[in-house]
Amino acid sequence: QKEVEQNSGPLSVPEGAIASLNCTYSDRGSQSFFWYRQYSGKSPELIMFIYSNGDKEDGRFTAQLNKASQYVSLLIRDSQPSDSATYLCAVQGAQKLVFGQGTRLTINP
Amino acid sequence: DAGVIQSPRHEVTEMGQEVTLRCKPISGHNSLFWYRQTMMRGLELLIYFNNNVPIDDSGMPEDRFSAKMPNASFSTLKIQPSEPRDSAVYFCASARRGKWSYEQYFGPGTRLTVT
Repeated sequence: QKEVEQNSGPLSVPEGAIASLNCTYSDRGSQSFFWYRQYSGKSPELIMFIYSNGDKEDGRFTAQLNKASQYVSLLIRDSQPSDSATYLCAVQGAQKLVFGQGTRLTINP
Repeated sequence: DAGVIQSPRHEVTEMGQEVTLRCKPISGHNSLFWYRQTMMRGLELLIYFNNNVPIDDSGMPEDRFSAKMPNASFSTLKIQPSEPRDSAVYFCASARRGKWSYEQYFGPGTRLTVT
């Protein structure tokens, strides 16, 4: 079993809708969780992090964490074409991050 | 504030040549990470440093790879000799380690092509 799993997609969402990206992890002791956005040909950009169970909102982005289920998600409200990118889930293990393979998201105008 | 700086941005070299990639972390950050990204393998951690000391190099693929961090503001990743399978994008990231976690910030990357 991979340490961090994401659906590779592609996930296609119409403009203005809610995009939902999911991630599961295997290390029950993990404490910190991150979402990175990576545009094609660019470097990963940190967009959200969450440490506690529940929801964390930042603008159009909401991160959700359920440690009991070992599940973290990212919701993007009012999706825009500029949100089209690959989204990487990362989980902190020991002193380093373990990344998932990423989900490719396409927002259709 | 300046972000993580990497050089060169692109490198094309022939098999067998030595390649040196450079990284300047964000000022005040005390952890530095070297990653490699390919389509097949995704983002892989090669090595990371805390306070200039290498902590975990288990991701370094072979002895051909080496990394150094002589001071808090500079790190190098060297490949000698280079091989075509080393072609990838190499990212450097830095972080300020805190009590609970530390958020990593990535540089723009170096796209390496070995022919």
